[in-house]
Amino acid sequence: AQSVTQLDSQVPVFEEAPVELRCNYSSSVSVYLFWYVQYPNQGLQLLLKYLSGSTLVKGINGFEAEFNKSQTSFHLRKPSVHISDTAEYFCAVSEKAGGSYIPTFGRGTSLIVHP
Amino acid sequence: DAGITQSPRHKVTETGTPVTLRCHQTENHRYMYWYRQDPGHGLRLIHYSYGVKDTDKGEVSDGYSVSRSKTEDFLLTLESATSSQTSVYFCAISESTGSYEQYFGPGTRLTVT
Repeated sequence: AQSVTQLDSQVPVFEEAPVELRCNYSSSVSVYLFWYVQYPNQGLQLLLKYLSGSTLVKGINGFEAEFNKSQTSFHLRKPSVHISDTAEYFCAVSEKAGGSYIPTFGRGTSLIVHP
Repeated sequence: DAGITQSPRHKVTETGTPVTLRCHQTENHRYMYWYRQDPGHGLRLIHYSYGVKDTDKGEVSDGYSVSRSKTEDFLLTLESATSSQTSVYFCAISESTGSYEQYFGPGTRLTVT
């Protein structure tokens, strides 16, 4: 079964500093990859997704992620964070074929931006 | 914003009572999902539906049942609520699976005392 590992449960960072949230997955087949953000007391919303093509994907709010097939990773980055980026971030993976098309979610990383 | 509503938004109930949560969509998406969110566990899939009357189990389906009699409504029922089912429940929808993103509702906070 597919598994998704978000290596950090919590990432504290100061405002305007860069940040990287890590995501690794277990599948050996081709995958689709997603990052979702959840602001306090809200549902999740899509930040960005990788389907195919360029391994660097740009999303909303200045976030980007890089797909690394050999390392089965899809790390999320932002060069300069803002207080408003404080939220829970979830990585999700679905398989293209031969496996589950229903996405599997990681446990989430809480990004805490300090002034 | 995708048209997804959940009701109720908050509920407190007693152990052993039945509870039904409702998810309603106006997007005409084929797939609907129920997740629970708990600290340290992220999002875990309870059940999902791929069409009217077509449902399947997720990884944490024990103690839950679902029904989908109309495209727009997906009901989650706890036949006999237990304290371990205290959680935040999210409904999601998608046009299809694989490359298709999911759209999430605002969540229902359920407390079982």
